[in-house]
Formats: sequence, structure tokens, C-alpha cells
Amino acid sequence: GQQVMQIPQYQHVQEGEDFTTYCNSSTTLSNIQWYKQRPGGHPVFLIQLVKSGEVKKQKRLTFQFGEAKKNSSLHITATQTTDVGTYFCAGLGYTGGFKTIFGAGTRLFVKA
Amino acid sequence: DGGITQSPKYLFRKEGQNVTLSCEQNLNHDAMYWYRQDPGQGLRLIYYSQIVNDFQKGDIAEGYSVSREKKESFPLTVTSAQKNPTAFYLCASSIFDQGGYEQYFGPGTRLTVT
Repeated sequence: GQQVMQIPQYQHVQEGEDFTTYCNSSTTLSNIQWYKQRPGGHPVFLIQLVKSGEVKKQKRLTFQFGEAKKNSSLHITATQTTDVGTYFCAGLGYTGGFKTIFGAGTRLFVKA
Repeated sequence: DGGITQSPKYLFRKEGQNVTLSCEQNLNHDAMYWYRQDPGQGLRLIYYSQIVNDFQKGDIAEGYSVSREKKESFPLTVTSAQKNPTAFYLCASSIFDQGGYEQYFGPGTRLTVT
């Protein structure tokens, strides 16, 4: 069945360093979404990518969707302590019906 | 003020008891979902519903049951058959399931069973 793998599982960075999390699907995706969950909170939608090779930016966050629509990445430039939390990707694929599968998430720790 | 509400925020139960978690949304969304999250883990889909009076099993439906009698409500019952029920339960909704629309999550319920 469809699987969405996300790496790394954890990432510790010094404030000001960059951070990247990667998401890989076993099947071609119709779209991919990214969510952020602050410690003790609930996931909050960040962005959705639909087109092959699409790149979107939100301030210090850059989101990419691969040409084959099977992988994606989230890059944070110059991390801040407010960036701490877990970042999830969620891919929409078709396996007998459309289904959104969440990756396991990457937990980001930022040291001031 | 639109959104998703889950109650209670914390819930404690004795082993062997069934417990029902509430999820209500006033976003007029068709699709609703229940996820389970364990410490340091991702989101695992328990059940989802695309329309009233219809719901589908997710990846870990065993030991859980749901109902969708009203568009705005999607309660989850954790039965005594669920072997390891202690977890953080998240409810979500979206405009339309197959369209890949963003999911809006409630604040979650932390269930502890002893």
C-alpha cells in the first residue's frame, strides 16, 4: 500500500542554523501538504503543493515538490526558537480510492 | 467563531470501560477524521467519514467505533477491546476528502487508561 516516509525523525540545531526535512512516497502523489505541531498542540496546516517541481515560500520556509511528485522537502532558513515543533508531510495518493497518508514527522529542537 | 472542538481535553478511565470522545465542527465540512498519536509518533488514521451516515475504517480501526448521525458531529468510542488505548486522540475535518483539501484539527483529547 501507499507509504510516506519522512526523515530525519529528529533534528537538533543551534538557533540561526538551517533545517531541512524530507518526505518520500512509494507512489505518485496528487498533492502534498505540510503541517506543524507545536509541543503539546495540534497539527496546523502550513501549505499544499500540487504541481510537479513546484516551489513555494513562506518567509523563512521553502517548500518543494519533486518533479516525479513522489518526494517533497521543507527547508527553514536561519531557525528561530519559535520554529520548534514537529513538521509533518501528508501525501494524497490513489490506491483504490483517494487517501491522505501522513508521514511520521520530524521533530525540530532549536537551541538558543 | 468557526472551528473544531474536542472534549474533554484530558480523560482518565479504568481498564475495561468503554469511553466516548466528542468531536464537533461548525465549519460545514463534509469529511471528518479520527487520528491517534502516540508519544514521538506520527498520526495514524482510525476512522474517517465523507458524508453523514457513512464512515470507513482507517489503518488502526480495531477496538474503536464511530458514528456520523449529524454533519457536525463525529464521536469516537474507545472500547474495552482496544488493547492499548492510552494515547492522544485528534479529530480533524476538511471540505472534501478526495479533493485533498487541508485538514483542520481540533485541540485533541489525551486519554489515559489504567
